[in-house]
Amino acid sequence: DVVMTQTPVSLSVSLGGQVSISCRSSQSLVHNNGNTYLSWYLQKPGQSPQLLIYKVSNRFSGISDRFSGSGSGTDFTLKISRVEPDDLGVYYCGQGTQYPLTFGSGTKLEIK
Amino acid sequence: EVQLVETGGGLVQPGKSLKLTCATSGFTFSNAWMDWVRQSPEKQLEWVAQIKDKSNNYATYYAESVKGRFTISRDDSKSSVYLQMNSLKEEDTAIYYCRGSPHYWGQGVMVTVSS
Repeated sequence: DVVMTQTPVSLSVSLGGQVSISCRSSQSLVHNNGNTYLSWYLQKPGQSPQLLIYKVSNRFSGISDRFSGSGSGTDFTLKISRVEPDDLGVYYCGQGTQYPLTFGSGTKLEIK
Repeated sequence: EVQLVETGGGLVQPGKSLKLTCATSGFTFSNAWMDWVRQSPEKQLEWVAQIKDKSNNYATYYAESVKGRFTISRDDSKSSVYLQMNSLKEEDTAIYYCRGSPHYWGQGVMVTVSS
């Protein structure tokens, strides 16, 4: 199975600040078709996860350009700029390249 | 507006069965690959099963932890996906989410397996 390792486990940021979350996979996420199926999700308190980024760097419909994804192979990063109060919650990365599909264990973002 | 609504959860004894239903609207269900993903009380997300679309022969895939006990199916005429869960174990206790892979998530339904 592909193990997804997220760091840090938690972080605290001031409003207006910038944060980065790392996600590393135990195997390359490049599919045979050339695509890299790495997604980022945010789970706000009391809600289900919502998609932010898919295929490494593509923002989902309606997602602010304050969120950006980058990376390749086994090393990926989510950056959040100009942090707002509504950004708090737990961020997960997930891979869709290889079965079984797997997720990271989450990064909790708190607002100072 | 995209909607995925899961139903069928509840409290069930170990060894018993339960069937979850996910009714969807607002996107082209017949082209979508559909997943069930669960979240344990410890908040870890675990993918459970996937069913592909007709053009991919409705191929199904399962997590090793549920293989042989759970069955995913779909009805394109009803824009719905199902999860038949048999021989339930206490470790199957979780919130079960329906997902239009990877974009759309339902609100989740609680399944508790306990005597």
